[in-house]
Formats: sequence, C-alpha cells, structure tokens
Amino acid sequence: GENVEQHPSTLSVQEGDSAVIKCTYSDSASNYFPWYKQELGKRPQLIIDIRSNVGEKKDQRIAVTLNKTAKHFSLHITETQPEDSAVYFCAASTGANNLFFGTGTRLTVIP
Amino acid sequence: DVKVTQSSRYLVKRTGEKVFLECVQDMDHENMFWYRQDPGLGLRLIYFSYDVKMKEKGDIPEGYSVSREKKERFSLILESASTNQTSMYLCASSPGTAELGQYFGPGTRLTVT
Repeated sequence: GENVEQHPSTLSVQEGDSAVIKCTYSDSASNYFPWYKQELGKRPQLIIDIRSNVGEKKDQRIAVTLNKTAKHFSLHITETQPEDSAVYFCAASTGANNLFFGTGTRLTVIP
Repeated sequence: DVKVTQSSRYLVKRTGEKVFLECVQDMDHENMFWYRQDPGLGLRLIYFSYDVKMKEKGDIPEGYSVSREKKERFSLILESASTNQTSMYLCASSPGTAELGQYFGPGTRLTVT
C-alpha cells in the first residue's frame, strides 16, 4: 500500500518567517494530496489540497507544490502568525475512498 | 456544516473490559472511518466502512472490531482492552472519494489502566 513520509516532525519559526513541511509518497498511482491542520485539542481540518494534474496551488498565505516525478509534495506557509501553530498532516490518495496520512509536523510560531 | 460527533471526549477503562466508541454523522455520508492518533505516528487507519454493514480493515485492525448497522453510526469495539490501546481515537466521515474531503469528529481520549 501507499507509504507517506513527512518531515520535519517539529518545526519552530519566528512570527513573520516562512515554514515549509515536506512529504514523500511511494505509490505512483496516488493523484490527490490534501493537507490537514489540527489545532491543540481540536479535530483535523482540511486546509488545502492539490491534484496530480497541477504543480502548485495557493490560497492566501499557504501554498502546496507537487513534484510527481520525485513523488514529493510540500506545504509552504508565508508570513507565519501565532494562530498557524498546530500539527499539520499531509496525506495521499489513489482516488479511492481512503487517505494515507503522514506522521504529522508540529509547527510552533514564536511571537 | 457537517457534524461528526463521538460519544465521549474522555474515557477510562480497565484492562480486559469491552469498550464501545460511537461515532455519528448527520450528513448522510457513505463512508466512515476510525483512526488512532499517537504522537510521532500520525493518523493510522483502524477500519473503515463504505456502506451499511460493510467494513474493511485498515492498517492496524488487530484488537479492534467495528459495527455499522445504520448509515449515520459507526462503532469501534475493543473486545478486551489492553494498555497499549491507550490512545486518541478519531472518527471521520466522507461523502465519497477522498477528494470530497474527510470530516473528523472531536476525538475520544481513551486510557486503559
């Protein structure tokens, strides 16, 4: 089955700096890559996703890039704010009903 | 708004007890999932169901079973709880393929002593 690896496991940045979280996947049939954000004590929520026919997608301060050849995708957060502090999960899907999640990155934005 | 609820936020059980965790969604979603969340291990799929009375094993089904008698309700059962099942359990539902999104419940933190 699909194996998704995520790095780093923890990340601390100063407020206003950028943060990058990287994921790799193993199954070349995967074609959908969402990112979920889980704030402390809350449920994971979808923040952005990308499909395999697109190389980059932006939504305000967050962007996701996908390199199908290398089988990796990344989440970029610019101008980080304290409310960006959370655990971020990447995931991959082959188009079926399941998602295969990475192990998560705890992002701390230091004011 | 999609609402996914779980029967308990916190639960403490003793080793060997039978434990039921319930999940209910109100959006007529076809698919429902049970995940286990542990630090450093992310979200690991225990079981999922794509229809009433249907179930599929996920990555870590050992020690667990599930029941889906009604479309809106998906139960996770620990037949004989063990200390290594102490964890956060998250339920999710989705209307179809993964691209339509998964909607999570608030989680149940289970402690087995």
